[in-house]
Amino acid sequence: GIQVEQSPPDLILQEGANSTLRCNFSDSVNNLQWFHQNPWGQLINLFYIPSGTKQNGRLSATTVATERYSLLYISSSQTTDSGVYFCAVDYDMRFGAGTRLTVKP
Amino acid sequence: DADVTQTPRNRITKTGKRIMLECSQTKGHDRMYWYRQDPGLGLRLIYYSFDVKDINKGEISDGYSVSRQAQAKFSLSLESAIPNQTALYFCATSDHRGSEGTQYFGPGTRLLVL
Repeated sequence: GIQVEQSPPDLILQEGANSTLRCNFSDSVNNLQWFHQNPWGQLINLFYIPSGTKQNGRLSATTVATERYSLLYISSSQTTDSGVYFCAVDYDMRFGAGTRLTVKP
Repeated sequence: DADVTQTPRNRITKTGKRIMLECSQTKGHDRMYWYRQDPGLGLRLIYYSFDVKDINKGEISDGYSVSRQAQAKFSLSLESAIPNQTALYFCATSDHRGSEGTQYFGPGTRLLVL
């Protein structure tokens, strides 16, 4: 199956800083999604982005399908952005191990 | 009311017992999924269903079975629970009749097998 790698595994920021999270995948995909799992375990879909660029407020994502990677940008981070960010690919939803983000006040 | 609900939210059971986790959705979506999450790891797909008559195995289906009783209901069974099935279980839905397959997750069920 497709291998999904996320980097960095851990990220600590001060409130207000910007960050970039990366998701690499080993084969072409028809489906790529980014999720945020908050400290209480709730999973929220951020983007459905098999290709191209999307923006939603302070978050944006870009997928370059031909080069097999996706990036999630978080600008002006807030403490509520803390949690784990996952990418998942393809119809059988292969998840990466996640990036744990901690935003300090 | 939540769009995707899971029952129970927490469950403790003993090795060898049969248990069922239930998922219901009010989103009208055609596809439903069951995942498990182990501490510090991403989610792994157990089973998925594209419609009521369609059931597919995911990455880790051994030891599990599912039933799609209706478009809105998808249950996961552990026929004979074992301790390494202790995990957080999530149900999710998506609608592929539209232009996107965004997944929406339930709140999760914490299962402890003693």
